[in-house]
Amino acid sequence: DQQVKQNSPSLSVQEGRISILNCDYTNSMFDYFLWYKKYPAEGPTFLISISSIKDKNEDGRFTVFLNKSAKHLSLHIVPSQPGDSAVYFCAASAGAQGAQKLVFGQGTRLTINP
Amino acid sequence: KAGVTQTPRYLIKTRGQQVTLSCSPISGHRSVSWYQQTPGQGLQFLFEYFSETQRNKGNFPGRFSGRQFSNSRSEMNVSTLELGDSALYLCASSSGTGFHQPQHFGDGTRLSIL
Repeated sequence: DQQVKQNSPSLSVQEGRISILNCDYTNSMFDYFLWYKKYPAEGPTFLISISSIKDKNEDGRFTVFLNKSAKHLSLHIVPSQPGDSAVYFCAASAGAQGAQKLVFGQGTRLTINP
Repeated sequence: KAGVTQTPRYLIKTRGQQVTLSCSPISGHRSVSWYQQTPGQGLQFLFEYFSETQRNKGNFPGRFSGRQFSNSRSEMNVSTLELGDSALYLCASSSGTGFHQPQHFGDGTRLSIL
């Protein structure tokens, strides 16, 4: 049962435009969400996170939006740059002590075209 | 600050053998988590160790085990290797236990089972 889903395996965006990556989850116990970026042959790198008590968090070009009622989050990158080409994973965590794990989506490959 | 170091980077084993992978966390980090990444299943959480104790565990069989030493270094062991264990194994560290904080990933150990 896939509790975190990224339904778009790939996304292609023109340089300078906005990239929007989407993620859906099914477990209402998730209360913390993170986005990671992964280049080939490297481990994932943390990008941005959001707690379930918020609906938006911004860090430079990256903004994450959380819609709890829809169990949906999205990552906006604006403006998109060639170095943003990578695989993006969303991840979710539940807060109960002793029962935590980090659940990842399948990833979306973002390609920024010049 | 040095990042998370995983050794070896590549490993080839045959079915039935066992393997031990090593992870050195960022200095000062006491939590180490392990993940398996495969094309079909994506990134899946294996287990988390904090202060030499396993705190959280994913849905993997008992063939997958780990431990953490007093210096926070961690090892993961897989016994009776199967073809399906071929994967990229990632280790991540963080300063506290649980996942309401960014995980810092190493570049992984690529395990191939022949």
